[in-house]
Amino acid sequence: EAQVTQNPRYLITVTGKKLTVTCSQNMNHEYMSWYRQDPGLGLRQIYYSMNVEVTDKGDVPEGYKVSRKEKRNFPLILESPSPNQTSLYFCASSLGGASSYEQYFGPGTRLTVT
Amino acid sequence: AQSVSQHNHHVILSEAASLELGCNYSYGGTVNLFWYVQYPGQHLQLLLKYFSGDPLVKGIKGFEAEFIKSKFSFNLRKPSVQWSDTAEYFCAVNAGGNAGNMLTFGGGTRLMVKP
Repeated sequence: EAQVTQNPRYLITVTGKKLTVTCSQNMNHEYMSWYRQDPGLGLRQIYYSMNVEVTDKGDVPEGYKVSRKEKRNFPLILESPSPNQTSLYFCASSLGGASSYEQYFGPGTRLTVT
Repeated sequence: AQSVSQHNHHVILSEAASLELGCNYSYGGTVNLFWYVQYPGQHLQLLLKYFSGDPLVKGIKGFEAEFIKSKFSFNLRKPSVQWSDTAEYFCAVNAGGNAGNMLTFGGGTRLMVKP
């Protein structure tokens, strides 16, 4: 089954404790992206990756890091989480290129930073 | 930078009522337009998309949207809603050809359909 998976689905942590949210897709998509969803603000892009070893900032990259060492994986790293990073996070992937912009979303990771 | 506005944040309808959700974007060039739906507790799913051609686009579950270039709008419609349409709806825009396939989302419209 074609899908985007994220782990963990729920996470409660404390300020300053480094964490990683994993994202994996099995569709051989070149493009992957991370969003955060906050009430009234919709989804805002954090980082995206056009291909392996190619990443770039989205609209709200501060406080986040990403890496793309393999095509299927795109982990989101919070080196020193703060309460304002409490949010619902979605990973997405797509074929990329001008022919297709449809993105496939993962199930989401609800993060609470206390 | 492109932006997307969804003017209705909350909509409450009775079953069988007609639905229209507004979406306006600010970008003067070629755009790709999307509506995504998020059912309670689930991830986003694509409802319909417009890349080019017929500006009236039909999607899944009886939804359709009309692209009006002169109004920078891409409103979502359904002639008769069902209780199962209760969800949050997001309009999204990609400026055609921009780097990163970046999607800019609107703030979402939360629809509640009363049985």
